[in-house]
Amino acid sequence: AAGVIQSPRHLIKEKRETATLKCYPIPRHDTVYWYQQGPGQDPQFLISFYEKMQSDKGSIPDRFSAQQFSDYHSELNMSSLELGDSALYFCASSLRLAGSTDTQYFGPGTRLTVL
Amino acid sequence: AQSVTQLDSHVSVSEGTPVLLRCNYSSSYSPSLFWYVQHPNKGLQLLLKYTSAATLVKGINGFEAEFKKSETSFHLTKPSAHMSDAAEYFCVVSDQSGGYQKVTFGTGTKLQVIP
Repeated sequence: AAGVIQSPRHLIKEKRETATLKCYPIPRHDTVYWYQQGPGQDPQFLISFYEKMQSDKGSIPDRFSAQQFSDYHSELNMSSLELGDSALYFCASSLRLAGSTDTQYFGPGTRLTVL
Repeated sequence: AQSVTQLDSHVSVSEGTPVLLRCNYSSSYSPSLFWYVQHPNKGLQLLLKYTSAATLVKGINGFEAEFKKSETSFHLTKPSAHMSDAAEYFCVVSDQSGGYQKVTFGTGTKLQVIP
């Protein structure tokens, strides 16, 4: 079965640079979530999109932005990178069903290293 | 308010012995509960989920969890640990708050399996 695809899998940037992470959800899934997992930390929710509209916002820094496109893929844009942004960034997708809680399926993650 | 507490940050068991990973939650709404597993340098994989059907939920790789509303618990168990079970396990609570799905991760439990 098709899974969530994230690209790139690894990314190395320098401080103050920008980075773009991409997420391709499971086909027919309409919701995308972004999480950040720092070294030794549990995943922290950043932002989510449902049907191309921002659905919920967590602890996403102002330097980050994201969007969901017409084909439901999503991109997380990160500017003015800081050392503390080094982390594993997960994308998850789900199919939102009325009246129930959707199950999130996670991608393999993008490991961002900021030097 | 929504929260999840994983009572043990580290659990160590011998191969072939039972596994118990504890999770307590709080939610103002009827929650869904999940267990995810994360192997080193890997993405998050769904083990099992509870969504208001049967209280005893069976997952992959021989894991199961029981939802106990009176105790607000969702402990993960496995009768016999295998070396490949060594990983970090996250308990996750999800509910629909204000029309949005809110998700909270526990801080994780690292499972060590001793040969």
